[in-house]
Amino acid sequence: QKEVEQNSGPLSVPEGAIASLNCTYSDRGSQSFFWYRQYSGKSPELIMFIYSNGDKEDGRFTAQLNKASQYVSLLIRDSQPSDSATYLCAVGGYTGKLIFGQGTTLQVKP
Amino acid sequence: EAGVVQSPRYKIIEKKQPVAFWCNPISGHNTLYWYRQNLGQGPELLIRYENEEAVDDSQLPKDRFSAERLKGVDSTLKIQPAELGDSAVYLCASSLEPMTGNTIYFGEGSWLTVV
Repeated sequence: QKEVEQNSGPLSVPEGAIASLNCTYSDRGSQSFFWYRQYSGKSPELIMFIYSNGDKEDGRFTAQLNKASQYVSLLIRDSQPSDSATYLCAVGGYTGKLIFGQGTTLQVKP
Repeated sequence: EAGVVQSPRYKIIEKKQPVAFWCNPISGHNTLYWYRQNLGQGPELLIRYENEEAVDDSQLPKDRFSAERLKGVDSTLKIQPAELGDSAVYLCASSLEPMTGNTIYFGEGSWLTVV
């Protein structure tokens, strides 16, 4: 079992729809959770982080964390073609180590 | 403020040749990371430094890879000799403190092709 798992996709949604990206992790001691966006040929850039159970909203993005289920998700409202990228889930623990999932490719079609 | 700077951006070498990558983290960031990212995969940690000390190098293939961070600022990652399977993007990142509670910022990466 991988430590951080994501569906590689591609996930295809029409422009203006809600895109839902999911991630599960295996270490119950994990403390911090991050979503990075990576455009083709570019380095990852941070979108959001979440530490506590529940939802955290930032503009069109909402991160959701459920530690009991070891599940974290990212919702993108009003998806735009410019949102087309690979989204990486990353999980960190008390050791300071950040573990990435393999990423989910999102395609937003006009 | 300047971000994480890496060089070279691209490198093509023949197998068995050596290669080195350089990284300058964001000013004031004590923690420095080297990640390797293969095509279609997420970044995988190779080594993490707290100042000059390598605190996590469990994933670094020590038979051919080496890294150093002299004076706790710039860092160099070396591969000698390179193998075909080393073709990947080598990402340097930095953060103010160990990742927990602080976000890490990536450089643009060094793209290595071994032929």
